[in-house]
Amino acid sequence: GAVVSQHPSWVICKSGTSVKIECRSLDFQATTMFWYRQFPKQSLMLMATSNEGSKATYEQGVEKDKFLINHASLTLSTLTVTSAHPEDSSFYICSARDSVGTSYNEQFFGPGTRLTVL
Amino acid sequence: ELKVEQNPLFLSMQEGKNYTIYCNYSTTSDRLYWYRQDPGKSLESLFVLLSNGAVKQEGRLMASLDTKARLSTLHITAAVHDLSATYFCAVDMYFGNEKLTFGTGTRLTIIP
Repeated sequence: GAVVSQHPSWVICKSGTSVKIECRSLDFQATTMFWYRQFPKQSLMLMATSNEGSKATYEQGVEKDKFLINHASLTLSTLTVTSAHPEDSSFYICSARDSVGTSYNEQFFGPGTRLTVL
Repeated sequence: ELKVEQNPLFLSMQEGKNYTIYCNYSTTSDRLYWYRQDPGKSLESLFVLLSNGAVKQEGRLMASLDTKARLSTLHITAAVHDLSATYFCAVDMYFGNEKLTFGTGTRLTIIP
């Protein structure tokens, strides 16, 4: 149980285009999902907290208009990188917290999406 | 602002040896998580430590938590090549807040 999927696994796009990444909890409901970004050889940095049915909460320094997050259902959150540029190239990882799970903050991580912007 | 630091950042060790990775954090937290990441992959959960003095072991890995010292350790016993990976600790900021703050990571290389 507790499987999180991401789609696509990798994507290459031209500068100026928009890319949508999906994060799905496959066997549990998640009122809260998280989007992280990881540059090569660095740690994970939280970009935003995605809440089902409400606006996402962005971390300081993350552009809301550039990284659009939609959490329309209890099993799906999407991250759209708008007008992507080469500096947006990174490994994007989502995680989900089981809404009816344990009391502590166990997050289940997706396999990640590698974005390359040419 | 919560800061989580790991030491060392890089570790190269021979098979069969023992070593410890340290994770220090700057504010009060009772919940600490350890993850493993292989190159090009996402995170694999290793341990969840929920109270002061908690100790968990899985195979050659053992994790402990000292909330008073704000310190967690990940001990590797008789290392084998399969343990080569990057290890991250992560901490909740405070109870009720669901955000995790990750440590800097420790890249472990086990040499045959």
